[in-house]
Amino acid sequence: EEELVESGGGLVKPGGSLRLSCTASRFPFSSYTMNWVRQAPGKGLEWVSSIRSSSTYIYYADSVKGRFTISRDNAKNSLYLQMNSLRAEDTAVYYCARASGCYDDSCNRFDFWGQGTLVTVSS
Amino acid sequence: IQLTQSPSSLSASVGDRVTITCRASQGISSYLAWYQQKPGKAPKLLISAASTLQSGVPSRFSGSGSGTDFTLTISSLQPEDFATYYCQQLNSYPYTFGQGTKLEIK
Repeated sequence: EEELVESGGGLVKPGGSLRLSCTASRFPFSSYTMNWVRQAPGKGLEWVSSIRSSSTYIYYADSVKGRFTISRDNAKNSLYLQMNSLRAEDTAVYYCARASGCYDDSCNRFDFWGQGTLVTVSS
Repeated sequence: IQLTQSPSSLSASVGDRVTITCRASQGISSYLAWYQQKPGKAPKLLISAASTLQSGVPSRFSGSGSGTDFTLTISSLQPEDFATYYCQQLNSYPYTFGQGTKLEIK
């Protein structure tokens, strides 16, 4: 079955940086739009960013625009999230997720999710 | 596009029929998905395109709606269904989630 594995989370001070990775296996990674979704402790799900298969289109939530950068390396089946200028409110579990059934800006589902990686921003 | 789920929490018993609603602030055609999340776990896709049941998901789950009003129905609650449920619109960016509905055992 398809698999997504996140890594790179940890404790970082406010204003610091962190790079998350997501490694995909058992599906043609280069064919899919990939996404980051986060969940603050005890809170709901928040979409963070999406990147289309060839990286031609990239989208961000307003809450992270200008601070976070999504990228992918299709040769390595990997998705990344570079997080700069981190704030306490960025503390969350970060999930990578595959989107499928996509046409232009619309998709039908996030059908596979990683297990998540915890980012804690605290002094 | 904002999604408003109701109720935000719900107490029910095994065997009950429950319905969760999700209202979009503008039309999203049928680009709506439903997820189930249990504590400490990643969300699990239940329904996509408003009414298409994901493979492997029990048939007691069903979805309906289009445009701005959507529902998730569980026809006969089972013990493993007690969880938090989220709707998500994927019609246009920024993709958004509803605030969640926590389904608890009565």
